[in-house]
Amino acid sequence: GAVVSQHPSWVICKSGTSVKIECRSLDFQATTMFWYRQFPKQSLMLMATSNEGSKATYEQGVEKDKFLINHASLTLSTLTVTSAHPEDSSFYICSASPPGQNIQYFGAGTRLSVL
Amino acid sequence: KNQVEQSPQSLIILEGKNCTLQCNYTVSPFSNLRWYKQDTGRGPVSLTIMTFSENTKSNGRYTATLDADTKQSSLHITASQLSDSASYICVVSAWGTGGGNKLTFGTGTQLKVEL
Repeated sequence: GAVVSQHPSWVICKSGTSVKIECRSLDFQATTMFWYRQFPKQSLMLMATSNEGSKATYEQGVEKDKFLINHASLTLSTLTVTSAHPEDSSFYICSASPPGQNIQYFGAGTRLSVL
Repeated sequence: KNQVEQSPQSLIILEGKNCTLQCNYTVSPFSNLRWYKQDTGRGPVSLTIMTFSENTKSNGRYTATLDADTKQSSLHITASQLSDSASYICVVSAWGTGGGNKLTFGTGTQLKVEL
């Protein structure tokens, strides 16, 4: 199956700093990638849809200035958590679908801990 | 509002036993239903995907069923193993506009397999 790589897998940062998370499709091109957030024992919540070459589409309640998304190429999307605070601590997961396939492949996730 | 409900919320079984997880959904217009396995601290991994016309889909010891009339699905795990301990998430896809399907995630069933 297709592979989606996420980096880093775990990051600890100080409050007020910014953190960048990368999502790469390793063996296919993805015009669309998705960013999710997951709190402990809860389901994945879609944050935004990342579109290559255009602005991301954010879900209701997600601050676009807080969570910056850049999809500069067909294989890479980045999520930057700006001025992170402890309440931003969560598990962030990206996904992508190979062209013509109606299935999303998920990255392994990034655990963000803000001190 | 699109919703996916799963039951039970958690389940403990002995190794070697079988179990069945349930998923009820109200998602429209229905595109497909997927079952994912998510290990703790990892991204979800696809087990099965079924479209409207499919009733059963197997993947090794995993067998998923779909009743599109009653909008119910089940995931049956045969001869459980310790490595089956994980969260099992039912995800229903609705046909979306702009080339992207909208996913609705269930909250998952936390399965623990014990000796």
